[in-house]
Amino acid sequence: DAMVIQNPRYQVTQFGKPVTLSCSQTLNHNVMYWYQQKSSQAPKLLFHYYDKDFNNEADTPDNFQSRRPNTSFCFLDIRSPGLGDAAMYLCATSTTGYEQYFGPGTRLTVT
Amino acid sequence: KQEVTQIPAALSVPEGENLVLNCSFTDSAIYNLQWFRQDPGKGLTSLLLIQSSQREQTSGRLNASLDKSSGRSTLYIAASQPGDSATYLCAVRSGSGTYKYIFGTGTRLKVLA
Repeated sequence: DAMVIQNPRYQVTQFGKPVTLSCSQTLNHNVMYWYQQKSSQAPKLLFHYYDKDFNNEADTPDNFQSRRPNTSFCFLDIRSPGLGDAAMYLCATSTTGYEQYFGPGTRLTVT
Repeated sequence: KQEVTQIPAALSVPEGENLVLNCSFTDSAIYNLQWFRQDPGKGLTSLLLIQSSQREQTSGRLNASLDKSSGRSTLYIAASQPGDSATYLCAVRSGSGTYKYIFGTGTRLKVLA
């Protein structure tokens, strides 16, 4: 049973064209995370939510925004994608004291 | 600021060998540490979670240990198999009050048949 679902799995967008990636979870976890992972690099945290409480990393570009309308869903919006934003975007969830669960990721290509 | 390092960056071993992967962190005030496996182009699969009060956790052929005072965790894989070939990542959650995890850069393991 899928627990953390990311859609789409592959996304191609044009330079400067806004794109939205989505994540949903069936675990009812109160914490949700968005990570960016480039080839052969560690996942880099962009932001995370504790319930509706939003936490932005200091070095996350302003070009990246997020929404969490309810417990189950979280969205990553890239307002004006550049070539440097091509990466795998990973969504994860956790709850107090327990492990993170990751989705399969969305691979973003910027042309 | 917490920094997490994994050495070696890559490792190649013959099938059947026992092996140890290392994870070092600079701030010993951690809440927990998690080991993951990542196959090429895929998401992360959780292997083991060690809470700060624990010394080790075991799951099948995997054993993870934690030594907070020295800032180290090791992942021991017994009787390695070609199917174990993947990148192994550790992630550290710092002390209470944050849900943020810091990842190491990973060890890319190849087990040769």
